[in-house]
Amino acid sequence: ELKVEQNPLFLSMQEGKNYTIYCNYSTTSDRLYWYRQDPGKSLESLFVLLSNGAVKQEGRLMASLDTKARLSTLHITAAVHDLSATYFCAVAGRDDKIIFGKGTRLHILP
Amino acid sequence: GAVVSQHPSWVICKSGTSVKIECRSLDFQATTMFWYRQFPKQSLMLMATSNEGSKATYEQGVEKDKFLINHASLTLSTLTVTSAHPEDSSFYICSASRGPQETQYFGPGTRLLVL
Repeated sequence: ELKVEQNPLFLSMQEGKNYTIYCNYSTTSDRLYWYRQDPGKSLESLFVLLSNGAVKQEGRLMASLDTKARLSTLHITAAVHDLSATYFCAVAGRDDKIIFGKGTRLHILP
Repeated sequence: GAVVSQHPSWVICKSGTSVKIECRSLDFQATTMFWYRQFPKQSLMLMATSNEGSKATYEQGVEKDKFLINHASLTLSTLTVTSAHPEDSSFYICSASRGPQETQYFGPGTRLLVL
């Protein structure tokens, strides 16, 4: 059974600082997703990572994937208040079902 | 492209009534649609997977007689919460994909409050 674990689950940080959110998963997968969710809203797709060593960057966010370690990271560089949200990683199982992590609530202090 | 809509965006109903939620892929044909439920400050939990023209596949613990799913066309899936109770109050999100191993596109969600 595919399980996805994120940590930390809650993160409060100062503007301008860097931090990393980690996502571990339990079984082999060929697709990993990162989503952002603002309060009361649905999901916004951030990144899709398909292969070992994949790295994608958008603005202050960078995601990477290590399929051998079954680990993905979402790195935040020089955080700004607008990045405050909940970030989910999600992993596709063999049956195409996507299993979500519990999410990381990111609160960036001005 | 790849826009998914949901209707209604929010609904309040009395306990015991049924509520239908629509999920539409606006600019692509979705062979597969997924229904998720999200409780406050929790993650998304997959409820069921529906393929156009066939019966939905429900996740363990999800009552198929309570959550009726119909995927009658390549652009529309419906979720009907039958005899809703307060514990069914939640945020329901659908997603749609063009096919196996294709990206899922998420709808804006429907917030259900059962009084």
